[in-house]
Amino acid sequence: AQSVTQLDSQVPVFEEAPVELRCNYSSSVSVYLFWYVQYPNQGLQLLLKYLSGSTLVKGINGFEAEFNKSQTSFHLRKPSVHISDTAEYFCAVSHVGSGNTGKLIFGQGTTLQVKP
Amino acid sequence: DTGVSQDPRHKITKRGQNVTFRCDPISEHNRLYWYRQTLGQGPEFLTYFQNEAQLEKSRLLSDRFSAERPKGSFSTLEIQRTEQGDSAMYLCASSRGLNGDTQYFGPGTRLTVL
Repeated sequence: AQSVTQLDSQVPVFEEAPVELRCNYSSSVSVYLFWYVQYPNQGLQLLLKYLSGSTLVKGINGFEAEFNKSQTSFHLRKPSVHISDTAEYFCAVSHVGSGNTGKLIFGQGTTLQVKP
Repeated sequence: DTGVSQDPRHKITKRGQNVTFRCDPISEHNRLYWYRQTLGQGPEFLTYFQNEAQLEKSRLLSDRFSAERPKGSFSTLEIQRTEQGDSAMYLCASSRGLNGDTQYFGPGTRLTVL
């Protein structure tokens, strides 16, 4: 069975500081990895995803993530955050393979609170 | 591309009543997913359609829940004899046909069972 663990439920940070949101996963098969963001009263929006190739993935709004297979991690980073980055961030995985449905398994979420 | 839409956005009902939610996916997407999100948690998978065929259901989906996707277009999720534990945000997502394709989420339907 797959599982996703987001190690921090809340991350407070000051504006213009760097931030890292941590994600670890457990799976017996190869996975695709995703980060979604949920702004207040809005739907989930894809930030970035890792399918294959380069382990450093760049996404929207200046975010990037690095896939580390040996540590089964996919941490999200941004070098300088803005007030507008305040939101809930979700890490998710899905099975690789043509016989799979593509369903997403999500972590519990991390609330990023950017303070002025 | 008008995005994924869901209706209604909010639903308040009394325990024991039946409710039905609708999801309209992005038009060329043949995959459709339903998820449920409770407060402070990540979304949990409920069920998956490829075109009109329901190919996977989670154990979370009790026999009070039923979903359909007639003609492979919009989908409905019905909950019969609602319970207070059904209170949650119900999310719909759609994607193209390949694993790894981005799932686009609708705004959700927030259900409150009194």
